[in-house]
Amino acid sequence: DGGITQSPKYLFRKEGQNVTLSCEQNLNHDAMYWYRQDPGQGLRLIYYSQIVNDFQKGDIAEGYSVSREKKESFPLTVTSAQKNPTAFYLCASSKGPGPTDTQYFGPGTRLTVL
Amino acid sequence: AQTVTQSQPEMSVQEAETVTLSCTYDTSESDYYLFWYKQPPSRQMILVIRQEAYKQQNATENRFSVNFQKAAKSFSLKISDSQLGDAAMYFCAYRSPSSGNTPLVFGKGTRLSVIA
Repeated sequence: DGGITQSPKYLFRKEGQNVTLSCEQNLNHDAMYWYRQDPGQGLRLIYYSQIVNDFQKGDIAEGYSVSREKKESFPLTVTSAQKNPTAFYLCASSKGPGPTDTQYFGPGTRLTVL
Repeated sequence: AQTVTQSQPEMSVQEAETVTLSCTYDTSESDYYLFWYKQPPSRQMILVIRQEAYKQQNATENRFSVNFQKAAKSFSLKISDSQLGDAAMYFCAYRSPSSGNTPLVFGKGTRLSVIA
């Protein structure tokens, strides 16, 4: 089955800890994205990557870091510098520009800071 | 920077009736893509419909259709014959066609309730 997987589904973190959210896709998509969703805020872009070993900051990158060592994988690390990390995190991917540039989403990870 | 506005935080519709969700956007580009995504209680984002700005014809997908008014920068979603499974958050999104992959810009969403 082709698709996007995110793990874990639920994640709990203590204050001061770094945690890493996994995102994997087997759609052969070039681009991958991380969004954060808060109630009443819609989705906000954290980071995105157009190709392997390259990524750009989104609107709310502070306190987050990413890597793109493989085309299939785009992990997001929530660092202790992120002041309010409790949120729902969505990963997405897309093939590229043009008529087929639809973004497809994974099922999400709910992060709670204890 | 582009912005997307959904002015209706919540809407409700009777089962089998028709409802229209509003979306406006601000851009200086002449070509772009617009999307409606659905997020049911499972929180999985599902693409509902897509519209390319260079196409004058409004997109349609089964019971879902859009009213795309380019000059007014308006992109509303019409759901016909509403079903209980249509209850969800609906997000309008904009995407620039500039070279390379570009992210989506989302509105804040409209929560749709379907009344049996």
